[in-house]
This record gives sequence, C-alpha cells and structure tokens, in this order.
Amino acid sequence: EADIYQTPRYLVIGTGKKITLECSQTMGHDKMYWYQQDPGMELHLIHYSYGVNSTEKGDLSSESTVSRIRTEHFPLTLESARPSHTSQYLCASSPAGLGYGYTFGSGTRLTVV
Amino acid sequence: DQQVKQNSPSLSVQEGRISILNCDYTNSMFDYFLWYKKYPAEGPTFLISISSIKDKNEDGRFTVFLNKSAKHLSLHIVPSQPGDSAVYFCAASGNNRLAFGKGNQVVVIP
Repeated sequence: EADIYQTPRYLVIGTGKKITLECSQTMGHDKMYWYQQDPGMELHLIHYSYGVNSTEKGDLSSESTVSRIRTEHFPLTLESARPSHTSQYLCASSPAGLGYGYTFGSGTRLTVV
Repeated sequence: DQQVKQNSPSLSVQEGRISILNCDYTNSMFDYFLWYKKYPAEGPTFLISISSIKDKNEDGRFTVFLNKSAKHLSLHIVPSQPGDSAVYFCAASGNNRLAFGKGNQVVVIP
C-alpha cells in the first residue's frame, strides 16, 4: 500500500478554473516536494517544503502555489488553469538524509482544455 | 542548464542479457547519486543509490558504478527481466535537492 497519496490521478479541466492537487503522506517525513514532468523530459522541481509553514519555490518557475499547514499534507493550487499547465505533477517526500531517496506518489496527469 | 544528462533515450535488450544505462553530471558538488524506475502512469520508485565516496554499490541484480573524475555513473542490470521494462531516471543530490535526468526507456524482449 502506498505511503504517499495523490488525488486525483487524472484531471481534465477547462481554462480559467481553479484546481487543487492533493498530496498526503503517512511516513512522518518533514520534507515534501512537487515536481512537474512532461513526456520524455526530466523532472523539474517547482515547490518544496522542509516542514510545517515552510514553503519554497523550486528551480522551475510555476504559477502554482503550495501550503504546508500539516506535516502530512502538501496541496498544490492553480488559481486559473491554462493549457500551458497541462503536464504530470508528482509529489514526493523524504526523511532527513537523501541517501534514502524520495518516495513518490503516483502522480496527477492534468489536462487543461 | 541541465546538470544531469542521460543520453541514448531508449535501450532494447534481450531477456537474460545485461542492460547498461549511463548518466553524466556537471556539478562536482553533488554528493549522492540515485537511480529511479518509473512505469507508465505511476510515480518513480527508488532503485539504488551510491555515495560520492564510493565507486560501486550492488543490490541483487542492480549495480551502480561511479567515476567521479569523469563525472559519470552507470547502472547495470543483470540478468535483465521483462519486468525491468520501464523508464530509468538518474538523479544527483546537492544543496538538499535532487536534480533528475530525462530518463532512459528500457525494453526487455522476452
């Protein structure tokens, strides 16, 4: 059973809609991340958090925002979806040492029409 | 600027033979390297890692080799199995974050 959950798995939505992608983990990890990936491309870090009330922007500029009110929950919000936001969004968490690797969720495939 | 590079985007190999995936990096400050495996419509799963102070790490059928002077690492899978068919991402750790390559598609032919 997965220890990190993302919902929805797939989402098709119209331009201009507000959406929230959910991510929850049950491992008690302090660090959580959001990555964006297009087919055949590398994963790009768009947001990360090292703990409650801590959020930072990643390497790739994104119009999305995140919040971290609880350790286990790290939702991503797009206030007004556009076709350029069409992509796969992957949430991950990690313990203190990166040598253990990240645990990824199954991802949300977002399509904005 | 891409810090982790995976060339040869796809690889086909016969079942039972060796699969070799290569990865090059540019940042000499990276201190940990990882390989992830990804099936379609799923998130990447951690496969194996290696610290920058080592040159080899082995876990069952998977072995990762690191050549720091060449800024190069490779993943060997032997023997390859049909269930190994997936996309493999190389990742490097630095500044408390991971940088990923574009991935290699591996197809194992039964």
